[in-house]
Amino acid sequence: QKEVEQNSGPLSVPEGAIASLNCTYSDRGSQSFFWYRQYSGKSPELIMSIYSNGDKEDGRFTAQLNKASQYVSLLIRDSQPSDSATYLCAVDAPFAGGTSYGKLTFGQGTILTVHP
Amino acid sequence: SQTIHQWPATLVQPVGSPLSLECTVEGTSNPNLYWYRQAAGRGLQLLFYSVGIGQISSEVPQNLSASRPQDRQFILSSKKLLLSDSGFYLCAWSRGSSSYNEQFFGPGTRLTVL
Repeated sequence: QKEVEQNSGPLSVPEGAIASLNCTYSDRGSQSFFWYRQYSGKSPELIMSIYSNGDKEDGRFTAQLNKASQYVSLLIRDSQPSDSATYLCAVDAPFAGGTSYGKLTFGQGTILTVHP
Repeated sequence: SQTIHQWPATLVQPVGSPLSLECTVEGTSNPNLYWYRQAAGRGLQLLFYSVGIGQISSEVPQNLSASRPQDRQFILSSKKLLLSDSGFYLCAWSRGSSSYNEQFFGPGTRLTVL
């Protein structure tokens, strides 16, 4: 069974700080990794995709991937109260001589609260 | 640009009643389509996915079914709802020809079964 584990929350950081969200996955063949943000009562919104080892930066967000350690993280710099949400890590099902049909396995999510 | 619609937004149904939730995607062709359920305070559970018209794969055995009568239409149904069917139902799409698997979610339907 493919598993995606996220650091248990909730995570609380002061405004302006760096929030660090972590995720590990069990299937070594996974190739695509995603972070979604979900505000309370709303649907998940894709905020970062990463496919290669290393860092990928987009504004205040940085995704980090280490396939050898099966670890992916999301850093949010200069955290704002508007960043308060649940963050979901998602990992693809690896190709196995065919296609994954785009299926993703989601972690349980980490609740982030940014307090003024 | 692509847009995904779901309706209704909210629904309250009695136990034993039927269910039909609809999802449509605009601005793309031959998408992969997915139905998820998110119970209160829980993660996303993949229920069904479809790679084409009439092609449905079920991930979890249950009293729900899905159909894809048109390329960009995905329907979730039940003949008799259970209390445990309550939850937030999300439809998502991804590019069928892409190997990068990015999924984009609709606004969701919040279902309460009483």
